[in-house]
Formats: sequence, C-alpha cells, structure tokens
Amino acid sequence: KNQVEQSPQSLIILEGKNCTLQCNYTVSPFSNLRWYKQDTGRGPVSLTIMTFSENTKSNGRYTATLDADTKQSSLHITASQLSDSASYICVVSARKGGSYIPTFGRGTSLIVHP
Amino acid sequence: EAGVAQSPRYKIIEKRQSVAFWCNPISGHATLYWYQQILGQGPKLLIQFQNNGVVDDSQLPKDRFSAERLKGVDSTLKIQPAKLEDSAVYLCASSFPGQVNEQYFGPGTRLTVT
Repeated sequence: KNQVEQSPQSLIILEGKNCTLQCNYTVSPFSNLRWYKQDTGRGPVSLTIMTFSENTKSNGRYTATLDADTKQSSLHITASQLSDSASYICVVSARKGGSYIPTFGRGTSLIVHP
Repeated sequence: EAGVAQSPRYKIIEKRQSVAFWCNPISGHATLYWYQQILGQGPKLLIQFQNNGVVDDSQLPKDRFSAERLKGVDSTLKIQPAKLEDSAVYLCASSFPGQVNEQYFGPGTRLTVT
C-alpha cells in the first residue's frame, strides 16, 4: 500500500527563523513529489514539484529536496513570515497506466509567531 | 481564468440522509479528483476521473458513496446514507493530464453529519 509519512506533526517557530519539514514515502512506481501549502479553510496550493531525476527545487523562500534512493524529501523554509502559518502537505504520485495517482501525507501544521 | 467551483460550501444533514456535492473544473482540465479531508488530516483521494472514465476509485466506500462525470466536465459526488464519520471537507480538484501538471483545488464543501 502506498504511504506518505510526514514529520513533525506540528511546529511552532518565531518569525524570521528557518525550519525544515520532513516527508518519507513508500509509493511505487514513483512518478513525482509535490509540496503543497494549505491555508485554513482553503484548498491546497502547489509550492514545488520534483521528478525522479531532480534533487532540489526552489520557489522563493521555499526549497524542497528529494532523495529518491532513501525515499525522503524535505521542505526548508527560510526567514519565516507570519503568512507561512499553514499546513504543509507532501504528495507523492504513482504512475498507473497513462495516469498519475496521488497519495497525500497528513501534513505538518506550522505556526509562525511574531 | 476561473477556478474550480464547488457547491454547496456548507451542508448539515442527519445521519442516514443523503447528500450530493457538485464540482465544475477549470475549462480544459481532463482530470478531475474528489478528496475527503477529515479535520487535522491530509486529503484522501476518493476517486479520479480522466474525462468521463474512472482512473482510480480504490478508496471510495462504494456501499454508500458514488460519483459520476457523465459528459467529462462537471461531476457530482453522492453519499447515501450518510454516517457520522462522513463529517469532513470534500475537495474537488482538476488538472491537465500528465506527470507534472498541477492540481487546482476548489474551496471545498464542509459536511457535518449529526
């Protein structure tokens, strides 16, 4: 069964600090890995996507890494802002025929305090 | 560009009643997804359509849940009869088919079963 595990479950940091969120997966056959940001009461919005051959991808203050050998990914947030308070969800897609089936992690809830 | 539309936004029903949710994807998006998101958890894929065909429905409780996308555009998700544990946000998303194409999420329907 395909699974995506995220840690920590929740995280509280001070504004301006950096943080790193973790994602471990057992998804086969692996196609791609995305990190989403979900604000309270809203649908998720994509931050980054990585395929098998990509090790790192940046989007502003967000940097994602992928180690396909160990099946681990991380999302690093630099110089956090209050608006970064949200749930961050790791999503790994498996190829099925000509389609791609996503498996979502439970998310890490990040709270940034002033 | 118009986003993914969902209705209703909120619904309260009693257990054993039936309910239906509607989704209108972004124009041109062939792939449509329905997710169930229980409070504090990541979204769980219920069913994925490619045009009007089902790609994956392995996590859809078929004894009570059904979904259709008859003309390959709009979709409806139905629950009959509802149980207390069905209380959740039901998210619809759409995308172009393909490995790296981003899913765009609607605002969701918050269902409360009493």
